[in-house]
Amino acid sequence: GQSLEQPSEVTAVEGAIVQINCTYQTSGFYGLSWYQQHDGGAPTFLSYNALDGLEETGRFSSFLSRSDSYGYLLLQELQMKDSASYFCAVRGGSSASKIIFGSGTRLSIRP
Amino acid sequence: KAGVTQTPRYLIKTRGQQVTLSCSPISGHRSVSWYQQTPGQGLQFLFEYFSETQRNKGNFPGRFSGRQFSNSRSEMNVSTLELGDSALYLCASSFGADNTGELFFGEGSRLTVL
Repeated sequence: GQSLEQPSEVTAVEGAIVQINCTYQTSGFYGLSWYQQHDGGAPTFLSYNALDGLEETGRFSSFLSRSDSYGYLLLQELQMKDSASYFCAVRGGSSASKIIFGSGTRLSIRP
Repeated sequence: KAGVTQTPRYLIKTRGQQVTLSCSPISGHRSVSWYQQTPGQGLQFLFEYFSETQRNKGNFPGRFSGRQFSNSRSEMNVSTLELGDSALYLCASSFGADNTGELFFGEGSRLTVL
């Protein structure tokens, strides 16, 4: 089967940097994604890592280590609008088209 | 271009009833996935369809079923509703080429079972 672990809650200060970790277990691995979901909204795609290393997209970066079955999402220059839930998701298992999500990390930003 | 459209957005049912939810993917997308989201939980995978075929299925009872039509629109059905089925049901579409983790989500259908 597949499983993902990520912290349930993280609190950070506006303007700071925060890292949200994700560890996964899967029999077959194709890639790790990150999604953002604001309260009452739909999840929106942030990033995807299929290979080891760091991917940067503006203030957000995502890292993957396949040997450690580990990844993280790094948010820099935090803004109040970044307060949301963040989900890691793994594409893998028995099929490359199956995407399984973690339970999500609720990020709260303090002024 | 239009995003993923889910209908209805809200609905209330009673235990024992059945419900059908609809999802229209982004034009050109051939893969549709369904997820159940409950408070404090992640998105639980229900199933994924591609070109009218169910490619993957999650660990849900047989009361949960779905299908996809030739125009890629998808429906999911839940029969004999239980209180625990109250949730936000999200539909997501993608090209289905399996080379990216990007899914495009609809706003969801919020089901309340009384």
